[in-house]
Amino acid sequence: AQKITQTQPGMFVQEKEAVTLDCTYDTSDQSYGLFWYKQPSSGEMIFLIYQGSYDEQNATEGRYSLNFQKARKSANLVISASQLGDSAMYFCAMKTSYDKVIFGPGTSLSVIP
Amino acid sequence: EAQVTQNPRYLITVTGKKLTVTCSQNMNHEYMSWYRQDPGLGLRQIYYSMNVEVTDKGDVPEGYKVSRKEKRNFPLILESPSPNQTSLYFCASSLLRTGNQPQHFGDGTRLSIL
Repeated sequence: AQKITQTQPGMFVQEKEAVTLDCTYDTSDQSYGLFWYKQPSSGEMIFLIYQGSYDEQNATEGRYSLNFQKARKSANLVISASQLGDSAMYFCAMKTSYDKVIFGPGTSLSVIP
Repeated sequence: EAQVTQNPRYLITVTGKKLTVTCSQNMNHEYMSWYRQDPGLGLRQIYYSMNVEVTDKGDVPEGYKVSRKEKRNFPLILESPSPNQTSLYFCASSLLRTGNQPQHFGDGTRLSIL
């Protein structure tokens, strides 16, 4: 069965420090895409970063980078230089080869001043 | 402004009273999808559509119907709502091309079924 696992229900990080949010996935597809979304307390879903299964380089978008280890089926999100505004829920998601989308349960990140 | 619009934003209703949540996007996206969000479970896909008149079940389709008669609209229909369908619902859309096509989400609809 296709599945996304996020094993950290809650995380704390000191402001200006880096933090890694874990995501592992299970699929037998060869072609898939991995996404990270942020959901602040206001509720909207904000796209952060994407990694394709055939991409050889790890994706980066500003302070966000994705540590993609295909053999381990992991796609961890790294946030560098955390800011107070980074406090939010973070969801890892996978789009399968037939366009179904599966989300993980999310990680709640709190940034401490 | 590019957006996905859901209505209503909030609804309290009773068991068995049919309801429809509308979703409209103005970005000419082929792909549209409905999700429900419940604490501890993340977002679960209810139905998705890759184009007009093409719909597929997600992980939790029971109790829901959808239709895609026009490219821009993708309504979610609860024919006979029950309390276990109380949830936060999101509609989303994206281009269908392979690769980095992130979904654009609506603001969400909070449904309470009494």
